Amino acid sequence: DAKTTQPNSMESNEEEPVHLPCNHSTISGTDYIHWYRQLPSQGPEYVIHGLTSNVNNRMASLAIAEDRKSSTLILHRATLRDAAVYYCILRDVGTSGSRLTFGEGTQLTVNP
Amino acid sequence: GAGVSQSPSNKVTEKGKDVELRCDPISGHTALYWYRQSLGQGLEFLIYFQGNSAPDKSGLPSDRFSAERTGGSVSTLTIQRTQQEDSAVYLCASSTYTAYEQYFGPGTRLTVT
Repeated sequence: DAKTTQPNSMESNEEEPVHLPCNHSTISGTDYIHWYRQLPSQGPEYVIHGLTSNVNNRMASLAIAEDRKSSTLILHRATLRDAAVYYCILRDVGTSGSRLTFGEGTQLTVNP
Repeated sequence: GAGVSQSPSNKVTEKGKDVELRCDPISGHTALYWYRQSLGQGLEFLIYFQGNSAPDKSGLPSDRFSAERTGGSVSTLTIQRTQQEDSAVYLCASSTYTAYEQYFGPGTRLTVT
């Protein structure tokens, strides 16, 4: 599996936007970029995924660099409930039913 | 609708005993996964079931670990002769075969004393 690199931790203030970066310089053409998050004492939760184009859903936006070597998860207005570990994961499009390989993730702290 | 459920939520066992952990996936989901998360560690893949295909057992850490999935639905993860290093949160997830997202249960926290 291609490797991703994320900052260990980030802080944000409530109601401000948060930009969580992810580097994946060895991404292949068939790798989707997935984001999951894990709130304290809970299982991971799917956030968003994309291949080449930017994506929006009710939870977040995903901005993908033109060369696909990096991406950014955007939370438009952070709330205290967004405090979690955020994982950026690459997953081959040909193996959609396969495992997720989690890295260390980014611990997001949201300050009131 | 109902999400993925796991039981028990907590299990304390003595070293050397066998334990069984249960996962009820979302109805209609053909793919089922087991992961574990040790204290302060990331999530580690254990095993994957897809329909009637042979499971992908490549993540099981030793032959003390086994899992089965009966009737394409409920799954049981069995750990024989538990060791202290088996202490972790065991997470189950399910998905449809073509879906990109996996839905996780709340996990079972296993403590081996």
